[in-house]
Amino acid sequence: QVQLQESGPGLVKPSQTLSLTCNVSGGSIRSSGYFWTWFRQHPGKGLEWIGYIYYSGSTYYNPSLNNLVTISVDTSKNQFSLNLRSVTAADTAVYYCARGDEVGNWFDPWGQGTLVTVSS
Amino acid sequence: QSALSQPASVSGSPGQSITISCTGTNSDVGGYNYVSWYQQEPGKAPKLMIFEVSNRPSGVSNRFSGSKSGNTASLTISGLQAEDEADYYCSSYRINSIVVFGGGTKLTVL
Repeated sequence: QVQLQESGPGLVKPSQTLSLTCNVSGGSIRSSGYFWTWFRQHPGKGLEWIGYIYYSGSTYYNPSLNNLVTISVDTSKNQFSLNLRSVTAADTAVYYCARGDEVGNWFDPWGQGTLVTVSS
Repeated sequence: QSALSQPASVSGSPGQSITISCTGTNSDVGGYNYVSWYQQEPGKAPKLMIFEVSNRPSGVSNRFSGSKSGNTASLTISGLQAEDEADYYCSSYRINSIVVFGGGTKLTVL
């Protein structure tokens, strides 16, 4: 079955760019009908949708983050990535990647999540 | 402040039923049958429990059910078990391809 795994630095300095990658195994990221998605969860808080990408490159972002986020896909590596620019301490969170349906109706499976701390 | 409103906590005794509400607007919960529910245990990733308001993924117990009336969706867990203790989040598609979440509900099994 499809599995997702996040990877990237656990510590990022303020004002820098947070970069994470999600590796997809057990299935092709080119499968039609799926959006590849990023979420985050601030410590002790709820879930926040960051955005998603279709394998063709079409993207949709949370309007609250729109001008700071870029999600890209590398079909040759079967992975997709998140870049969040100009981070602050408020971007400290557990970041999850997940597979979503083409509407944003459901998300499954999820990666295990990776904690990113923004601190100097 | 989350886009969808959920109670912060609910509790019930083993064997009882509980319902968690999720209130949105005509632009999300009320406008589309694209509501999903996720269970999150401490330190773990969310797990899909319900999609399209009332559908269960393969492998999810039939003790979990979902419904919707107007702008409010609900998750009902019947025959509560200790293993159901977790945080539960609702999610909905919102107009213009946006995804919104509730703030989460902590379920305590007494």
